[in-house]
Order: sequence, then C-alpha cells, then structure tokens
Amino acid sequence: EAQVTQNPRYLITVTGKKLTVTCSQNMNHEYMSWYRQDPGLGLRQIYYSMNVEVTDKGDVPEGYKVSRKEKRNFPLILESPSPNQTSLYFCASRKKARQEKLLYGYTFGSGTRLTVV
Amino acid sequence: AQKITQTQPGMFVQEKEAVTLDCTYDTSDPSYGLFWYKQPSSGEMIFLIYQGSYDQQNATEGRYSLNFQKARKSANLVISASQLGDSAMYFCAMREAILTGGGNKLTFGTGTQLKVEL
Repeated sequence: EAQVTQNPRYLITVTGKKLTVTCSQNMNHEYMSWYRQDPGLGLRQIYYSMNVEVTDKGDVPEGYKVSRKEKRNFPLILESPSPNQTSLYFCASRKKARQEKLLYGYTFGSGTRLTVV
Repeated sequence: AQKITQTQPGMFVQEKEAVTLDCTYDTSDPSYGLFWYKQPSSGEMIFLIYQGSYDQQNATEGRYSLNFQKARKSANLVISASQLGDSAMYFCAMREAILTGGGNKLTFGTGTQLKVEL
C-alpha cells in the first residue's frame, strides 16, 4: 500500500530533551515536507526537501532540523524542544511533476501529536 | 494578505443534503493547483479533490465536486448527499508552481468544521 509512515503517533516529552520524529514513504517521491498544525492557524510548512541531500526552510523552521540522506526517509529533529513546539506534526510527500501544468498534491502521514512539558 | 481564506469556521448540514464549503485564494502565479483535504477527528489528512489553474472543467470525485471560478478566485467544495461520516474539518490548500520556487509548499486555509446531523 502506498503510504507515508510517521512514528511515533503520540509523544510526550520534557523541555530540552532531544527527539526525532521519523517519516518514511514507499512511493519513490522526490519531494517531502514537514508541517505543523495549530488551532486557528491551519498547517504551516516547517521544512521541505526536493531530493536527497537537498533541503530548505519553510515558514516556521526555528527550533527544527531535518536531513534527507535517503530518498524514502525525512526525519524531523527537535534538538531542544520547548512547550511552544507542542503541536500536531505531519510529514508529506509528492512526486515531481514532469509537466509544467501538472501539479500534484501531497500525500500525508497520519500525524504525530507532540506534547512538550 | 491571506493566500487562502475559508470564512466559515463551522457548518451544519442535514444528512442527505448538499453542502458548499467556501474557499477563496490569492495568487499572481499563472500556474497553481487547488486542493481540498478532509481531517476527521482521528487526525489524518485525507486528499479529496484537485483543480489545476489550467483545467477547463470543474473537478469531480464521487460525491465531491469543486466549483472553480477563476475570475473570482474561488474554489468551493460541494459535497452532495451528505453522510454522517462526512463530519470532519475540511481544509482548502494551494500550490503555486513558480512563485514558491517550484511549488514546494501547500498553503492552507484555517479550515471549516463540518457537522452532519440526522
């Protein structure tokens, strides 16, 4: 089954304790992205990657790191989590469009609900 | 300025009725795509329907249709014959092909919470 898999689904951690949320896709998609969802704000992009070893900042990158060493994996790293990073996180992937006028949407993972206390 | 505006924080509809969820957008990019996602209470994001800026016809997917009015920059989602399982948060989103460096970002609205009643 084509999917984006995130782990863990739920995580409660303490301020300052480094954590990694894993993301893996089995669709051979070039593009991957991380979003966070907060009430009243919709989803906002944290980081994205256009291919292996190519990453760039989204709208809210502060406090996060990412890496793309393999095409299928795109982990999100919080080096020193703080309570304002309590949120619902989504990993998403899409394939690269071969035609200019063809825009694919992202396939989303099931989400990771993170609480930082 | 908001790129995606969803003006209805919450909507109620009776089972079997049709409902329209509003979405307006703002872009100067000639090439863009508009998407609707459904988020049930379990939290996952489910893709529903897509409309490209160059598409001549309105997109349809089963009970979902997209009322695309390019000149008015609106992309309303129409759900026909509502079911109890349609109760969820619905998000409108846009990808701009050129202005965002190859279209690497989906910009989301703040969502509309739909409740289907018996």
